[in-house]
Amino acid sequence: SQTIHQWPATLVQPVGSPLSLECTVEGTSNPNLYWYRQAAGRGLQLLFYSVGIGQISSEVPQNLSASRPQDRQFILSSKKLLLSDSGFYLCAWALSGSLAYEQYFGPGTRLTVT
Amino acid sequence: AQTVTQSQPEMSVQEAETVTLSCTYDTSESDYYLFWYKQPPSRQMILVIRQEAYKQQNATENRFSVNFQKAAKSFSLKISDSQLGDAAMYFCAYRRETSYDKVIFGPGTSLSVIP
Repeated sequence: SQTIHQWPATLVQPVGSPLSLECTVEGTSNPNLYWYRQAAGRGLQLLFYSVGIGQISSEVPQNLSASRPQDRQFILSSKKLLLSDSGFYLCAWALSGSLAYEQYFGPGTRLTVT
Repeated sequence: AQTVTQSQPEMSVQEAETVTLSCTYDTSESDYYLFWYKQPPSRQMILVIRQEAYKQQNATENRFSVNFQKAAKSFSLKISDSQLGDAAMYFCAYRRETSYDKVIFGPGTSLSVIP
């Protein structure tokens, strides 16, 4: 069966510090991968998605970036965090190809920028 | 562009009663998928139910069922025999029938279950 991991679970970082959130998927190959942000009491905002190694599509221009160095690894980064980057970050995966259906979510990372 | 609307920010239901959450979407596509996700206080997103647009029959998963009205672009979720564990944020979501396209989520409905 497939599992998705995210770490860290909780992170408190000062403004201007760098960020690296990691997401890995087990039990499947060449998944589509997604990063979402969810502000408190709000819906999900798609940040990035990837359909393969090195292929990243950005949905929202901001000071965040994403990378996919390996098939089942997706990293969300920032060089300098802003207060507005606080939120709950969710990684998700989906099957690739024409049989792709729903997305499966990781447990999330709660980021607080102080 | 496709959009998903959930017009009920908050809903409440008495335990053991039935509640219906509304969702409408806008698309020019004919083939697509619709989903309802549940996000309990733990914030883990859980898939509740899926509907393929080409299927006329409404999807059902135990106490959860949908009313899919393709022409009206409406996709409501009915929860029967509500339980305390059903209290959560519920998100309606849409995806085109392409191999990698992103899922578009609605703003969510917060459901409270009153014991």
